[in-house]
Amino acid sequence: KAGVTQTPRYLIKTRGQQVTLSCSPISGHRSVSWYQQTPGQGLQFLFEYFSETQRNKGNFPGRFSGRQFSNSRSEMNVSTLELGDSALYLCASSLAGRGGLGTQYFGPGTRLLVL
Amino acid sequence: ELKVEQNPLFLSMQEGKNYTIYCNYSTTSDRLYWYRQDPGKSLESLFVLLSNGAVKQEGRLMASLDTKARLSTLHITAAVHDLSATYFCAGGFYNQGGKLIFGQGTELSVKP
Repeated sequence: KAGVTQTPRYLIKTRGQQVTLSCSPISGHRSVSWYQQTPGQGLQFLFEYFSETQRNKGNFPGRFSGRQFSNSRSEMNVSTLELGDSALYLCASSLAGRGGLGTQYFGPGTRLLVL
Repeated sequence: ELKVEQNPLFLSMQEGKNYTIYCNYSTTSDRLYWYRQDPGKSLESLFVLLSNGAVKQEGRLMASLDTKARLSTLHITAAVHDLSATYFCAGGFYNQGGKLIFGQGTELSVKP
């Protein structure tokens, strides 16, 4: 079974630009979560989508948004990029149902550098 | 909100030695996870611990959970160089679906 895939793997942007990252979950997984990983703040939860609906949201500004499509693929968007947005963005998928909490399987990540 | 703290944050070990990584959490979570991350790579799921007293083992790694003490441990037996990585624990709640709260990570270096 193919794992979680993320594209692109690397991105370089400049301040003020916007960026869209993509995540394809493991086949059959309907829950997709996004995390930001930085050396200073560690791994922080951004949001989770289930059946095209945002189910949970972390403490990030509104510049960070996401969506999920009917095939469970998800995208996250960051607008008006800041230097502090430079990070590894990880996507994870799980089999968890409507109320469940399943093991999350992580993709390889997208490394974003903001100059 | 759940807070997860790991110690130590850095651990340099000699091959063949045993050691334990500790994961303390502020409120009882429904599940406790352990992940491994190699440099520049993604996270790999190691263990899921569901209930008090749960113990799981895989190779040289053994994880346990004490919900009363709000403590999980990851014990390394007879360390080998291949175990060098960063290890994270994370907690989650059923009513918060796919939201995991991670500890800071423990960077383990196993030297010959």
